[in-house]
Amino acid sequence: AQSVTQPDIHITVSEGASLELRCNYSYGATPYLFWYVQSPGQGLQLLLKYFSGDTLVQGIKGFEAEFKRSQSSFNLRKPSVHWSDAAEYFCAVIKVGNEKLTFGTGTRLTIIP
Amino acid sequence: DAGVIQSPRHEVTEMGQEVTLRCKPISGHNSLFWYRQTMMRGLELLIYFNNNVPIDDSGMPEDRFSAKMPNASFSTLKIQPSEPRDSAVYFCASSPGGSFEKLFFGSGTQLSVL
Repeated sequence: AQSVTQPDIHITVSEGASLELRCNYSYGATPYLFWYVQSPGQGLQLLLKYFSGDTLVQGIKGFEAEFKRSQSSFNLRKPSVHWSDAAEYFCAVIKVGNEKLTFGTGTRLTIIP
Repeated sequence: DAGVIQSPRHEVTEMGQEVTLRCKPISGHNSLFWYRQTMMRGLELLIYFNNNVPIDDSGMPEDRFSAKMPNASFSTLKIQPSEPRDSAVYFCASSPGGSFEKLFFGSGTQLSVL
């Protein structure tokens, strides 16, 4: 069973518009949650992570994510995207008790002028 | 800090040949991870090491795949013999503190097996 789901394969937004990328997990207990970004031809870079505490997490590059237990979601947001945000975004989880990091299938973000 | 360094960036080989991918983790990091990325299967963990010791190799697809970490600054992933279905991008990552909580990825090796 897929443990982390990113329902959107590809999203296109205009530069300056707001962005929300969806991520859902399917564990009963709250896992550790992460967002990574992969620019073309590059490895992945950690944007932000959630372990516990404040459910709104701030990351690098102006990104934030909100953990919602009731929806088993950890959606990534940015109020105003820049052309340089075009990349592939991966949600990932560590299930408590299973220390391995498991990635979602990714969402490719395209920015149009 | 130079980050995680992988070599080569690109490798094209013929089916049946041996392929060796190399990784130098960030100095001071004591965990190292090998991931494979394909369109069909996304990012898959192949194996990871803590303090040079393999901890979990359950993701290694077949006996054709092997990984070593002879010291804290070097690891190899070997495929022998290679097959076209091994074509993928192979990423190495390292982390401090022996956990998955913050991985630093290399730029990957694009492997094409013809």
